[in-house]
Amino acid sequence: QAVVTQEPSVTVSPGGTVTLTCASSTGAVTSTSYSNWFQQKPGQAPRTLIYQTTNRHSWTPARFSGSLLGGKATLTLSDVQPEDEAEYFCLLHYGNAWVFGGGAKVTVL
Amino acid sequence: QVQLVQSGTEVKQPGASVKVSCKASGYTFTAYHMHWVRQAPGQGLQWMGCINLNSGDTFYAQSLQGRVTMTRDTSITTGYMDLSSLMSDDTAVYYCAMEVGGGQWLDWGRGTLITVSS
Repeated sequence: QAVVTQEPSVTVSPGGTVTLTCASSTGAVTSTSYSNWFQQKPGQAPRTLIYQTTNRHSWTPARFSGSLLGGKATLTLSDVQPEDEAEYFCLLHYGNAWVFGGGAKVTVL
Repeated sequence: QVQLVQSGTEVKQPGASVKVSCKASGYTFTAYHMHWVRQAPGQGLQWMGCINLNSGDTFYAQSLQGRVTMTRDTSITTGYMDLSSLMSDDTAVYYCAMEVGGGQWLDWGRGTLITVSS
């Protein structure tokens, strides 16, 4: 089974910008990986932020953006707010299976 | 208003089976895939599998093949996840989530805590 890798933790200042990455052990992440990004706060269910690499849901703040860069999927948080402190998971598609990354804990400090 | 309502917390003995339900409201039920994802205490998310709510076709994670079964009842817009031969490692919160298809994940249920303990 493929392994999906994220940085375990990052720290960002309020108002700053941070980019999270999502890499696949099988090679470059592409549009057909259909990357999704989820936000999870303690004690809550995950919430889908980004689907199909770049698309925001109606409930996703515009400061969250997804893209592909250097063979990885990325999630960029701009103008970071205190309420963005959470764990972020990426998800990649492999044929008939999906694999989550290990999660990236974002601390706003 | 779209909503996914899951069944309640359960405690099971090792070796037993558990069936978790996920009632979908506000959706055109058969237009979606329902995924099941679990999260062990303090751990990340693990994709378990999915069911095409129209055709009933299922796809399961390799690690759970033979122990997991996903079904649906379109008449009551409810999906089910059945996990057998439970072990302590199966202790987790189990989530259902909807996908339109083509990789567009949408909403999640609030989760169901399953504890496996003797």
